[in-house]
This record gives sequence, structure tokens and C-alpha cells, in this order.
Amino acid sequence: EPEVTQTPSHQVTQMGQEVILRCVPISNHLYFYWYRQILGQKVEFLVSFYNNEISEKSEIFDDQFSVERPDGSNFTLKIRSTKLEDSAMYFCASSLAGGPYEQYFGPGTRLTVT
Amino acid sequence: AQSVTQLDSHVSVSEGTPVLLRCNYSSSYSPSLFWYVQHPNKGLQLLLKYTSAATLVKGINGFEAEFKKSETSFHLTKPSAHMSDAAEYFCVVTYSGAGSYQLTFGKGTKLSVIP
Repeated sequence: EPEVTQTPSHQVTQMGQEVILRCVPISNHLYFYWYRQILGQKVEFLVSFYNNEISEKSEIFDDQFSVERPDGSNFTLKIRSTKLEDSAMYFCASSLAGGPYEQYFGPGTRLTVT
Repeated sequence: AQSVTQLDSHVSVSEGTPVLLRCNYSSSYSPSLFWYVQHPNKGLQLLLKYTSAATLVKGINGFEAEFKKSETSFHLTKPSAHMSDAAEYFCVVTYSGAGSYQLTFGKGTKLSVIP
């Protein structure tokens, strides 16, 4: 069964450093998403991406964040200058279509900022 | 704004007994509702979804949920708990027709199954 994959599973970085989290969505899906979950808190929406552009973003997704689909398979989330409060589990998801369709999630990348 | 409230942060049941995980949602447009499950160190797996068809929705692993508009509820049930059901469960809402595809998650309910 096709699945969303994410690398790395755990990333440790120092405050102020740039990090890139990588995701490979399900191959025939057209919509891609990033969510995050700070320890002990809700899963929060960050951004959705379709047709090579951001279709929606939350207040969390400020200028420090960017997303890219550099080729036909990868979908990346870049944090330009990490802060302590960026420490969280980051989930990538994809869906076949937009709207009320199920999103399929990857296993997550745990980001620890020291 | 859309939101979901999961009424219990932790539910503990004995193996073989029924499971009830409660969820209420806020209603703006026509909601689509999902239950996802997260096993330790695993990703989020879709259990079932409601998208304005039948109000009683059957999912994987014997779970089902009933959409009750009058009560704005979407509770998850299973007749008989299995040890492998121990996990965290998330009630999730999105709204069709609102031009937004983001999922809004509840805080989660951790289900423990006692042998």
C-alpha cells in the first residue's frame, strides 16, 4: 500500500540554524500539507500546497518557513533560522484532491532545537 | 472558525469491553469529520470518515462512528476492545465548500486497554 515517507525521523539542530525536512508524498496525490505537533499540544496546520504554490497557510507559517516541491517526488519544509519554540513533531500529508478528502500522513520528523 | 473538542484526554477499558471516545465539533458550514489513530512512534492513520453520506460510518478494525447533527457529535465506538487498540485517537474536522482544506484536530484521547 502506498504511503507517505519522511526523512529524517529525528533532527537535532542549534538555534539559528536552517533545517530542511523532507517528505515523499503518495505518487498520484496532488495536494500536500505540513502539520506540526508541539509536545503535549494539538496537531496544528501549517501550510497546504497545490500546483506548485501555497494554497493556504496558517498564522504559524511566517517568513521563517518555506515549502518547495523541488522535483516530481519530494516536498520539503524549510525553517530558515530555527527557534527553541520550533521544537515539535512535523507531519507531512498528501491527498488525492482538495476539499473534504482524507489526507494521508507520514510518520513525522521530530525536530529538536537546542 | 472550526473546532473539535474531545471530551476525554484518557480512556481506560478492559480487553473485550466496549470503547467509546467522545467528540463534539463546532458547526459553521457542512463539516467533514474524521477519526485518526496514532500508535506509539507511528504516523497518523485514518480510521474512518464522514462526508455527508450515511450518518453511521464504519471504519477499519471494527470501529464505527455516528454523526449526530442535533448534538454536534461524532463519537467513536467499538463493541469489543483489543490490546492492539491501545493508541491515541484524534477527532478531526474540515469544512467542504469553505475553500479551506486544512484539517483541525482535537487534542486527542489516549486509549489504554487493560488485559
